[in-house]
Amino acid sequence: AQTVTQSQPEMSVQEAETVTLSCTYDTSESDYYLFWYKQPPSRQMILVIRQEAYKQQNATENRFSVNFQKAAKSFSLKISDSQLGDAAMYFCALRKGETSGSRLTFGEGTQLTVNP
Amino acid sequence: DGGITQSPKYLFRKEGQNVTLSCEQNLNHDAMYWYRQDPGQGLRLIYYSQIVNDFQKGDIAEGYSVSREKKESFPLTVTSAQKNPTAFYLCASRAPGKGYGYTFGSGTRLTVV
Repeated sequence: AQTVTQSQPEMSVQEAETVTLSCTYDTSESDYYLFWYKQPPSRQMILVIRQEAYKQQNATENRFSVNFQKAAKSFSLKISDSQLGDAAMYFCALRKGETSGSRLTFGEGTQLTVNP
Repeated sequence: DGGITQSPKYLFRKEGQNVTLSCEQNLNHDAMYWYRQDPGQGLRLIYYSQIVNDFQKGDIAEGYSVSREKKESFPLTVTSAQKNPTAFYLCASRAPGKGYGYTFGSGTRLTVV
């Protein structure tokens, strides 16, 4: 079984500042993928960033970057220059590689508030 | 534009009734999924299908049923056996190949009245 844990139910950040959301996971697979999804008040799930476990380089998408620590099974999301539109629920998720099925396992989520 | 359409957006059900939530995609994705979201919790997998005419139970399949007669469609039926059906339901699909995340629909809010 695989698990994903987000230990911060709520976080807040000042506009233009940087915030880091934490995520730890557990899996026995060697081939897997990690994702961060954003769910704004509209409740539409939006893919923010993804990381392949076999890649050592941390993924980056504009103001969003991850700190992937494979040995520690940690996958944190850093949001730089926070904007009001970043306010949302953020979910960390894990998916096994193609040969082991393709279901996503989600963490409990972190509600991010951005203060003006 | 390609995407996933869920309908209706809001659904009210009387106790003891079955209801069916629609999920249609025009992305030509093989794999489709149903998740349930409750307040303060993450998404939990109900059912998934990796190919037409085949589907598997997820973690919380009791009280739910699905069908996959067409590639584009993956309807979810919430039966009267589901004791606590009030929740937000999300449908998703995934392109084949490694590394792809899911594309999600906009969800259906089901309320038992």
